[in-house]
Amino acid sequence: QKEVEQDPGPLSVPEGAIVSLNCTYSNSAFQYFMWYRQYSRKGPELLMYTYSSGNKEDGRFTAQVDKSSKYISLFIRDSQPSDSATYLCAMKTSYDKVIFGPGTSLSVIP
Amino acid sequence: EADIYQTPRYLVIGTGKKITLECSQTMGHDKMYWYQQDPGMELHLIHYSYGVNSTEKGDLSSESTVSRIRTEHFPLTLESARPSHTSQYLCASSVGDTQYFGPGTRLTVL
Repeated sequence: QKEVEQDPGPLSVPEGAIVSLNCTYSNSAFQYFMWYRQYSRKGPELLMYTYSSGNKEDGRFTAQVDKSSKYISLFIRDSQPSDSATYLCAMKTSYDKVIFGPGTSLSVIP
Repeated sequence: EADIYQTPRYLVIGTGKKITLECSQTMGHDKMYWYQQDPGMELHLIHYSYGVNSTEKGDLSSESTVSRIRTEHFPLTLESARPSHTSQYLCASSVGDTQYFGPGTRLTVL
């Protein structure tokens, strides 16, 4: 079993939709959780970072962490065509390296 | 936008050739990383460095080597390229838990 699993997608939604992207993990020692966005032919860029259970909001983006279920989510409200990208979840323990999920490809159709 | 650069962006080369992928960052970060990324797959860490003259192999076995003679420079070398090395190579540097990625080098070995 992989340490981090992510909904494979691809996901295609109409502009304005609410998008939910999800990851599950097996290592209960993970304490830090991140979401990266990767546009085509670019490197990933950090979108959200959180280290506690609960919700963290930044504009149209909300990161949700449920440590008891080993489940994290990224919600995108009022999705825009510019949100079309691959979204990678990532996580780490307090002392180890970052582990990335395989990514979910999202297309927002105008 | 992160100041981390990779050259070349695209490289097509024949089997057996020696290649060096360049990575430079101007942020003064001590920690730098090389990842391999294949379509639909998670990023695999192949090398990392926590400072000058410090290099370690990552989780994914790789026939490449790296050096870190200057803080800002972290080149990756393949002594004899093979078709199995065809992939995207991403360089990153970090401060705290935030990693900043370069645009990547897409390598094709014929």
